[in-house]
Amino acid sequence: GAVVSQHPSWVICKSGTSVKIECRSLDFQATTMFWYRQFPKQSLMLMATSNEGSKATYEQGVEKDKFLINHASLTLSTLTVTSAHPEDSSFYICSARYQSSYNSPLHFGNGTRLTVT
Amino acid sequence: AQKVTQAQTEISVVEKEDVTLDCVYETRDTTYYLFWYKQPPSGELVFLIRRNSFDEQNEISGRYSWNFQKSTSSFNFTITASQVVDSAVYFCALSGGAGTYKYIFGTGTRLKVLA
Repeated sequence: GAVVSQHPSWVICKSGTSVKIECRSLDFQATTMFWYRQFPKQSLMLMATSNEGSKATYEQGVEKDKFLINHASLTLSTLTVTSAHPEDSSFYICSARYQSSYNSPLHFGNGTRLTVT
Repeated sequence: AQKVTQAQTEISVVEKEDVTLDCVYETRDTTYYLFWYKQPPSGELVFLIRRNSFDEQNEISGRYSWNFQKSTSSFNFTITASQVVDSAVYFCALSGGAGTYKYIFGTGTRLKVLA
């Protein structure tokens, strides 16, 4: 149980285009999902907290207009990288808690490797 | 402020050796949770263990064991008789008390187990 599916696994796009990444909780409902970014050989940096039915909460320094997050249902959150540039190339990972309590472990998607050419 | 430090950037061991990955944390919360995750080369993060701040009992799961010591703010992870499949990046993470949903991740330790 507690499976989080992320799609696509990898994507290559041209500079200036937009890319949408989907994160689904397959066997549980997630009112809150989290989006992380990971640079090569570095740790995970929280980008934003995605809340079902409301606006996402962005971490300091993350451009909300560039990284659009939509949490339309209890099982789906999407991250859209708008007008992507090479510096946006990175590994993006979503996660969700199986249970709503704060001590419940996060379950992560397999990540999306974005390459912007 | 909360912080997680994994001082070991990379460790290499020969198969069957034991290896300990260190994790030191900082928090002002009295209630908090500590986690270990494994990230193999494929990229996904695999949950290994959760420990709350009130439970200092050490835990063993197969070849894995964890040592939680509040006195030194450490939550170390030991792999006994390491195997090549253990090669991965291991992250320690801290989650705060009630109402705090964010994880603070350490920088990770890359473990290479050589055959």
